[in-house]
Amino acid sequence: DIQMTQSPSTLSAFVGDRVTITCRASQSVNSWLAWYQQKPGKAPRLLMSMASNLESGVPSTFSGSGSGTEFTLTISSLQPDDFATYYCQQYHSFPTFGQGTKLEIK
Amino acid sequence: EAQLVESGGGSVQPGTSLRLSCAASGFRFEDHAMQWVRQAPGKGLEWVAGISWDSDTIGYADSVKGRFTVSRDNAKRSLYLRMNSLRDEDTAFYFCARSGGTFVDDAFDVWGQGTVVTVSS
Repeated sequence: DIQMTQSPSTLSAFVGDRVTITCRASQSVNSWLAWYQQKPGKAPRLLMSMASNLESGVPSTFSGSGSGTEFTLTISSLQPDDFATYYCQQYHSFPTFGQGTKLEIK
Repeated sequence: EAQLVESGGGSVQPGTSLRLSCAASGFRFEDHAMQWVRQAPGKGLEWVAGISWDSDTIGYADSVKGRFTVSRDNAKRSLYLRMNSLRDEDTAFYFCARSGGTFVDDAFDVWGQGTVVTVSS
């Protein structure tokens, strides 16, 4: 199984800050990488697939990059609605998720 | 609008069985692989099982292999998860999710709201 490791586990930031979350795969997943946002008590929401392809309706402040084993999710200017938990997921083989990054307001 | 609605959750004792269902609407069910994902209280997401559009490809997480069975009925637009030999550690919210395409190996672009399974003596 491919293991996914996210860092940091928790991130505190101010509204307006630029933040980056990293996701590493235990072996290459090419660009078969998705990012999800989850708020408490809600189902996850797909933000982007293929490492950098933004889903319809996702603000352009979100961007993704990377390929192979290292990926990043960047939010260029944090908005109050962005404080949530973020998960990466590989789908090069049967899917696996990272452990999540909780983005907290400072 | 694509929608998924799970049902069948509940509180059961260890060693017993439960069957979850997921009803799909608003899209061509047979055009998509489908998935089950769970989330234990206060924990992260764990992929449980996936099934291709034609049921030809099925996969399971190691934690449930041999105990859980995923199936689908395209005519009824429904996805199922039969859970046997339930353990305390199976306690979680269970989400049904849609793959973007026909393959199990894909991002999950539509999610249900989940159904709770509690395993406790």
